[in-house]
Amino acid sequence: DIQMTQSPSTLSASIGDRVTITCRASQSISRWLVWYQQKPGKAPKLLIYEASILESGVPSRFSGSGSGTEFTLTISSLQPDDFATYSCQQYNSYPWTFGLGTKVEIK
Amino acid sequence: EVQLVQSGAEVKKPGESLQISCQGSGYDFANSWIAWVRQLPGKGLEWMGTIYPGDSDTTYSPSFQGQVTMSADKSINTAYLQWSSLKASDTAMYYCARRVSAHYFFDFWGQGTLVTVSS
Repeated sequence: DIQMTQSPSTLSASIGDRVTITCRASQSISRWLVWYQQKPGKAPKLLIYEASILESGVPSRFSGSGSGTEFTLTISSLQPDDFATYSCQQYNSYPWTFGLGTKVEIK
Repeated sequence: EVQLVQSGAEVKKPGESLQISCQGSGYDFANSWIAWVRQLPGKGLEWMGTIYPGDSDTTYSPSFQGQVTMSADKSINTAYLQWSSLKASDTAMYYCARRVSAHYFFDFWGQGTLVTVSS
């Protein structure tokens, strides 16, 4: 199975900060990576697919980049609604696997 | 509007059986794959498997093969996840999600069903 490692596991930031989350795959997954946002008690929400394509309706302050084994999710200016847990998922190889998540907290 | 509505929370004892459901609306349910995803308390997401309601073709993650059974009834736009003998370690939140056509990620999710297994 492909292991997905996210860092950091927790991130403290303030409104307006630029935030970057990293996801590393244990082997190359080309650009077959998605990012989800999950708030407490809620289902995950699709943000970005194919490493950098923004899902319809997602604010443009979110962006994704990377290929191969290293990927990043960037929030250009953190907003109150962005405090949540962010998880990556690879869909290059069966079984599809997720990272453990990065919790973005208020500083 | 695409919606996936899951059945309510369950509290069961070890060894009991259980079936939870996921009803889709607002799209062609029979011709879209549905995945089940587990989230253990305070942990990450785990893909359990996927079912195609149109013909009930199913793919299980090796970690869940033989542990659960997925089924679907396309006549009522509903997918099911079933356990024959629950264990305490099955305590988790379970989500259904629609798989994006031709890809293996998920664009719409149900609200989740919390399953608690305790003696």
